[in-house]
Amino acid sequence: IAGITQAPTSQILAAGRRMTLRCTQDMRHNAMYWYRQDLGLGLRLIHYSNTAGTTGKGEVPDGYSVSRANTDDFPLTLASAVPSQTSVYFCASSAGTSGTDTQYFGPGTRLTVL
Amino acid sequence: GQNIDQPTEMTATEGAIVQINCTYQTSGFNGLFWYQQHAGEAPTFLSYNVLDGLEEKGRFSSFLSRSKGYSYLLLKELQMKDSASYLCAVMDSNYQLIWGAGTKLIIKP
Repeated sequence: IAGITQAPTSQILAAGRRMTLRCTQDMRHNAMYWYRQDLGLGLRLIHYSNTAGTTGKGEVPDGYSVSRANTDDFPLTLASAVPSQTSVYFCASSAGTSGTDTQYFGPGTRLTVL
Repeated sequence: GQNIDQPTEMTATEGAIVQINCTYQTSGFNGLFWYQQHAGEAPTFLSYNVLDGLEEKGRFSSFLSRSKGYSYLLLKELQMKDSASYLCAVMDSNYQLIWGAGTKLIIKP
């Protein structure tokens, strides 16, 4: 069982380009999340999905979009990348959305926008 | 606004005990989590507190006081592999996690 996988592991991208970060989980978790982690800041929620077919905006959604066509996959798209989107991106999932539902994280994608 | 505060960095000696504090101000409270994150890796779950008191799990313990908006993570018998960042996160009234910036723990032999 892989848990959560993310691709690519790292990417260097020119500003203005479109990029999709992939996230797949095999735990049949209902909820999935995208965070970005920047030096000196806590993890910040970009978008989330409580169940397949639904998505919601987190703390920093601007410039990003997501879709949740099925339970397993939750891709994050940067429509036109900007240097401020340089960050480490983590995908996470949890069985549900209650306080007792632990979030499990993928290995992350290190993105550099030049 | 919502805020989670924890020290930026702490240093401790192998075999010793260290306490990492976390204070929070959030809109609502549905539990407090501690995660461990080694450099270049993903955060991994350590503990969850929703009621006041101490939760012990092997060498790690976590304490919560909801009235004070305060938690701590206690690490005993420190090992070199405990060198990592420790992240405090609070689940708010919308069931979203609000994260602290993390405490980098350096263990010296």
